[in-house]
Amino acid sequence: EADIYQTPRYLVIGTGKKITLECSQTMGHDKMYWYQQDPGMELHLIHYSYGVNSTEKGDLSSESTVSRIRTEHFPLTLESARPSHTSQYLCASSPGYGYTFGSGTRLTVV
Amino acid sequence: KQEVTQIPAALSVPEGENLVLNCSFTDSAIYNLQWFRQDPGKGLTSLLLIQSSQREQTSGRLNASLDKSSGRSTLYIAASQPGDSATYLCAVGGRDYKLSFGAGTTVTVRA
Repeated sequence: EADIYQTPRYLVIGTGKKITLECSQTMGHDKMYWYQQDPGMELHLIHYSYGVNSTEKGDLSSESTVSRIRTEHFPLTLESARPSHTSQYLCASSPGYGYTFGSGTRLTVV
Repeated sequence: KQEVTQIPAALSVPEGENLVLNCSFTDSAIYNLQWFRQDPGKGLTSLLLIQSSQREQTSGRLNASLDKSSGRSTLYIAASQPGDSATYLCAVGGRDYKLSFGAGTTVTVRA
């Protein structure tokens, strides 16, 4: 009964394509996050937002960009996908402390 | 920068045995600590959230303790079942609401 939704669940795309990973939550949380996770490795924060029209880069440098035009929506965009972008992308939200995660998007760039 | 370490990296036990998972962190100025479960290829499910003022938190067969001064937390899972097989992640939160994650402990419970 997840209240945070990520689409697509899996994506295989060619090099150079523009992609947008969707993340939406219905809990009214003002804080949202994007994490990147390679297989067997720890999660790294790549973007976060503490409210509408507020976005910041995380600890891990990423070529992706994000936007936060509505409280419930926090999409991540890659303008030109590369094989090095192959990874799992996890979205989360929180009212303060106490995160809720989505199911993730597994991205493969060929 | 907060560093979070989880030991062991992997653990295999027979069904019914109690599980003990360890987490350590370098900066004791934390606001909370959260334990998550991750199944292969899936997102994270929150198990327990311990505020910095708390010593432990319990939910069913799960019990997590926190010793902030020594930078340690332990997750206990009583009477393990094959369904408990997953990766368990520890994450610490600072004043800025961001979480720092450990690499996880992968648990296999053998039937």
